[in-house]
Amino acid sequence: QSVLTQPPSVSGAPGQRVSISCSGSESNVGRNTVSWYQQFPGTAPKVLIFGDDKRPSGVPDRFSGSKSGTSASLATSGLQSDDEADYYCAAWDDSLNVWVFGGGTKLTVL
Amino acid sequence: QVQLVQSESELKKPGASVKVSCRASGYTLSHYAINWVRQAPGQGLEWMGWINTNTGKPSYAQGFTGRFVFSFDTAVNTAYLHVTSLNADDTGVYYCAREDCTTTSCFWPFWGQGTLVTVSS
Repeated sequence: QSVLTQPPSVSGAPGQRVSISCSGSESNVGRNTVSWYQQFPGTAPKVLIFGDDKRPSGVPDRFSGSKSGTSASLATSGLQSDDEADYYCAAWDDSLNVWVFGGGTKLTVL
Repeated sequence: QVQLVQSESELKKPGASVKVSCRASGYTLSHYAINWVRQAPGQGLEWMGWINTNTGKPSYAQGFTGRFVFSFDTAVNTAYLHVTSLNADDTGVYYCAREDCTTTSCFWPFWGQGTLVTVSS
C-alpha cells in the first residue's frame, strides 16, 4: 500500500489531454512539494515536474503539474504515442521522515 | 555532464551478499546526497533511504534497516549499497539517484541506470 494514491491506469487518444492524480495527506503533499517521474519499461525514472509545477529544462511544456491541498495532478496535453509510460508522484513526508511514492499510473495512448 | 553509472546485474543465492556501486561523474559526489530506490519485478518505486555524502550519515527507510548499508568512497567518487543475507524478496532493480534541492524543494534529476539483483537458488 503506497502512502500516495494514484489511479492504476489512465488512457487517452492522441492529441487529447489526460490528468493523473496523486492524493496524500497534510504531512506529505499538503506541506511539501511534489515531483513527478516518467518511467519507460527497463529504464530509470526521469523527472518531469518538481516543486509542484516546475519543469526541468528539456521537458516539453505539454507536461504540467499542479497542487491543491493534499492532492496533486500531472497533466499531459497533446498526447503522443511516446507518452506511453508509467508515471509516479513523490513527496517528502515530514511525519514519517521518509520520501513516499505513489503506486504509479500506467498511461496508455489509444 | 552529470552521470551516475551503476554496476552490472548480479545473480546471488539466498544468504549471500551483494554490493552495488554507483559511480558519479561530472560532479563531486560529496556535494549532493545520494538516494537509493528499489523496484521489485512488476512493482512500483520504493524509497530505501539516503546517505549524506558530506557528513557520511545514512538514513534508512523502514524495511531497509539491519541488512542494508549505504556507503561511499570520495577517492573514486562512488556510492555503494551493500545488502547481506539476501532472500528472494530482495530481487529487484536497485537505483541510485542524486538529490538536488532548491530553496523550496528537493527532487532527483539524475539517476543511475539501475542494477538488477536476482536472488535465486
